[in-house]
Amino acid sequence: NAGVTQTPKFQVLKTGQSMTLQCAQDMNHEYMSWYRQDPGMGLRLIHYSVGAGITDQGEVPNGYNVSRSTTEDFPLRLLSAAPSQTSVYFCASSYSGGTGNTIYFGEGSWLTVV
Amino acid sequence: GNSVTQMEGPVTLSEEAFLTINCTYTATGYPSLFWYVQYPGEGLQLLLKATKADDKGSNKGFEATYRKETTSFHLEKGSVQVSDSAVYFCALIKAGNMLTFGGGTRLMVKP
Repeated sequence: NAGVTQTPKFQVLKTGQSMTLQCAQDMNHEYMSWYRQDPGMGLRLIHYSVGAGITDQGEVPNGYNVSRSTTEDFPLRLLSAAPSQTSVYFCASSYSGGTGNTIYFGEGSWLTVV
Repeated sequence: GNSVTQMEGPVTLSEEAFLTINCTYTATGYPSLFWYVQYPGEGLQLLLKATKADDKGSNKGFEATYRKETTSFHLEKGSVQVSDSAVYFCALIKAGNMLTFGGGTRLMVKP
């Protein structure tokens, strides 16, 4: 059982470039989300999805796009990378319903924008 | 809105010392509360959780009790080890399975 898989693990981008961070889960989870982690600020929610075809914005959505065409995949797109997007990105997934369900995290993607 | 406040680190302890990392939250109603741990270079792992008032979550010698009256969920361990060195995040869920995190507390345990 692979759980939540993120790729790439490390990436360096130039300002203005675009790229996609991939996230896939094999647990048939309905809920998927993307967080970014910055020093002293914990993790902040970028975008989330409660099922295929449904996405919504989180706390810090600007500069990012998402789509959810399948249950398994939830890619995060950086449209025009900026140095402020240098961060560690985590994808997460869980079953829907209730507030006690365990949330599973990927291992993170370290992104540097120069 | 929801928020979580953790004590700032780093927290530096000697092996076998007692650990407390404070966490308080702001939320309406009854959120579920979590502690996650992040070891160097790795992702987040769920350490423990509590879903209602007075529940105690425990795992690997760590404990935290959901205190509704003080809106707190402090993490404790009676005797830390070098291998406990990591960043610890307190978090809550109110609805929709989306987490609100505290800023994280780095723990360094010296032999």
